[in-house]
Amino acid sequence: SAVISQKPSRDICQRGTSLTIQCQVDSQVTMMFWYRQQPGQSLTLIATANQGSEATYESGFVIDKFPISRPNLTFSTLTVSNMSPEDSSIYLCSVGLAGGDTQYFGPGTRLTVL
Amino acid sequence: AQTVTQSQPEMSVQEAETVTLSCTYDTSENNYYLFWYKQPPSRQMILVIRQEAYKQQNATENRFSVNFQKAAKSFSLKISDSQLGDTAMYFCAFLFSGNTGKLIFGQGTTLQVKP
Repeated sequence: SAVISQKPSRDICQRGTSLTIQCQVDSQVTMMFWYRQQPGQSLTLIATANQGSEATYESGFVIDKFPISRPNLTFSTLTVSNMSPEDSSIYLCSVGLAGGDTQYFGPGTRLTVL
Repeated sequence: AQTVTQSQPEMSVQEAETVTLSCTYDTSENNYYLFWYKQPPSRQMILVIRQEAYKQQNATENRFSVNFQKAAKSFSLKISDSQLGDTAMYFCAFLFSGNTGKLIFGQGTTLQVKP
């Protein structure tokens, strides 16, 4: 497995502001992903963070709302822009190991938007 | 499109007993992977067990084992000798091996282990 950290672990933000979440891995990985878990719900993939190119977004998620950076093979950021209370969720990053066939998750960031 | 269904929103079990969580999935693919993840109140997603679809043998990890029925598209998790620390939300997940890594999750089952 891998040691994955996320910052911040939680935050309370005001409507209309933006928050950047960081994900750091202790080893180089090819595949990094960002998921959203709304209250009481399952996880939904937001995007795949690609090193050296733009992220690949899933249906329903756009770059203007969730810009992602992947400057190297151990680090990625997700920004939640122009936040509204509907963005209140847990945001998790994951990395693909074992040839990409197994994903391990970071501890998550709990975001509350007032 | 692939879907994953967990039909048991909540379950409970007495400590030291055995419990089985159900999961069914729908796919037209032949090569894929199935997972069970555990999410305790700390919200950390922890990989419990992994099954490769091309392997007929059911995966086991200590007290955790699966019953993988490929033809029936069923993937249940059995927890033996349940412990209080097993209390968590359990998610079944599907990964198509030809995909770029998109995990598709079921709705989750909340498991309460009672002393």
